[in-house]
Amino acid sequence: DAKTTQPTSMDCAEGRAANLPCNHSTISGNEYVYWYRQIHSQGPQYIIHGLKNNETNEMASLIITEDRKSSTLILPHATLRDTAVYYCIVRPINRGAQKLVFGQGTRLTINP
Amino acid sequence: NAGVTQTPKFQVLKTGQSMTLQCAQDMNHEYMSWYRQDPGMGLRLIHYSVGAGITDQGEVPNGYNVSRSTTEDFPLRLLSAAPSQTSVYFCASSYSAQLGGQLHSPLHFGNGTRLTVT
Repeated sequence: DAKTTQPTSMDCAEGRAANLPCNHSTISGNEYVYWYRQIHSQGPQYIIHGLKNNETNEMASLIITEDRKSSTLILPHATLRDTAVYYCIVRPINRGAQKLVFGQGTRLTINP
Repeated sequence: NAGVTQTPKFQVLKTGQSMTLQCAQDMNHEYMSWYRQDPGMGLRLIHYSVGAGITDQGEVPNGYNVSRSTTEDFPLRLLSAAPSQTSVYFCASSYSAQLGGQLHSPLHFGNGTRLTVT
C-alpha cells in the first residue's frame, strides 16, 4: 500500500469546517483513499473513500487532487464529538479491508 | 444487527494465566481480524481470518492463538499472559473483496477489550 503522510495534530473551532490533509504522492492508479476515525477508547469507524472524484456522504467530504497525490477530508460543521484521531489509508481495491494498516493519524481537537 | 461484539470489556490477569477474548459478528462477514493498540501507538494486526477454517498471522502474532470454526466467531487466546500483552484489543470484520464480496466493504470494529497483565 502507498505510504501516507498526515499532520500529527490539528485544532478547529466548533462549528467551523475542519480540513484534514493527507499526502500520498506514491499512490498507484488502482489505489483508493480511505478515511477512518477513532474516537477516544472506541474502535475505529469508517468515514469515506474515493478514487479520483470528490466524494460526499452524511459524515464528510473527500477532495482528491487531480494528480491524486494528496487529499483533504472535510468535516463541514465540526462538533465536539468530532474530536478523534483521523486515519488516511491508501490501498488497492482488490485487497478490500484485509490486513489494513493504520498509521499514527491526525489527532483533531474541536474546541468550544 | 448488533455488529461486532467483544467480551469481556475489561480483564485483569496475572502473569502466566491464560484466557480467551471473545469476538462475534452477525453481519455474515467472511473476513475477521484482531488488532492491539498500546498507548500512543497505532493499531497493530495480530491475526486475521478470511473465512471459517482459515487463519493467518499478522504483524505481532507471538503469544496469541486464534481459530475460526464458524463464520460468526473469532476468539483470541492468550496462552501464557505477560505484562507486555497489556493493551486494548480490537476485533474487526468485513466482507471479503477476494471472495466477490463488496469491494469497498469497510472494517467494522468492536468496542474493545481492555486487558491488564500484572
